[in-house]
Amino acid sequence: AQSVTQLGSHVSVSEGALVLLRCNYSSSVPPYLFWYVQYPNQGLQLLLKYTTGATLVKGINGFEAEFKKSETSFHLTKPSAHMSDAAEYFCAVSVSNAGNMLTFGGGTRLMVKP
Amino acid sequence: ETGVTQSPTHLIKTRGQQVTLRCSSQSGHNTVSWYQQALGQGPQFIFQYYREEENGRGNFPPRFSGLQFPNYSSELNVNALELDDSALYLCASSLARNTEAFFGQGTRLTVV
Repeated sequence: AQSVTQLGSHVSVSEGALVLLRCNYSSSVPPYLFWYVQYPNQGLQLLLKYTTGATLVKGINGFEAEFKKSETSFHLTKPSAHMSDAAEYFCAVSVSNAGNMLTFGGGTRLMVKP
Repeated sequence: ETGVTQSPTHLIKTRGQQVTLRCSSQSGHNTVSWYQQALGQGPQFIFQYYREEENGRGNFPPRFSGLQFPNYSSELNVNALELDDSALYLCASSLARNTEAFFGQGTRLTVV
C-alpha cells in the first residue's frame, strides 16, 4: 500500500519568491511520483513525474522536483513565483509508471502575494 | 483532438436517490479511471475500466459502480446517495492502462 503526506495545506509566497511545496510518500515498492496542479473549477493537470532515472525532474511552467529515496520525499520547487501559479497542488504516488491508479495527498493551496 | 469531457458539470440530488455521471474519453483512449474529490481533500481512486472491464478498484462500497462502452466512454453510477457522496467526481482517460492519464473538469455532485 502507498500513501502521500503533503506538509502545509496552505503556503503563501510573494511574487518572485521561491516556491517550495513539500511531499513525503510511503510505498512498499519502488514508487512512481507525480505533481498535479488544479485551478479553480477545473480538473487536474500534470506538472511533472518521476518514474526512473534522473532524480531531478523538470516539468512545465518552470517547476521541478527532486526524488530523494533516503528521505522518502518529492518536494516541488520553482525559483520565482508568478501570480498565475496560485492554485491547488497535489502530490501523488502510483505503482504504475504512468499513474493510472493514483494515491493523492491532501493538497497544498499556493497563494501568491503581489 | 478533443479532451476528456464530463457531463453534467453540476447536479443536485436528494439523499437516497441514484445518479449517473458520464465521461467521454479523449480520442483513442481505451482506459478510464474515476476519482472522488471531497471538498478540501485530494482525489480518491474509485475504479478503472480497460476495454469495458473493471481493471482495479479503490476502497468504495458496491453502490459505486461503473460501465465502459465499446466507444470507451464511461459512466459512474452511485446508488442510495448519502450526504457524504457530495464531491467533485473526476474522470481521467489514458491511451492504455500504463500511460499518462488526462483529467476532465469534473462533475460537482451535491446531495441534500
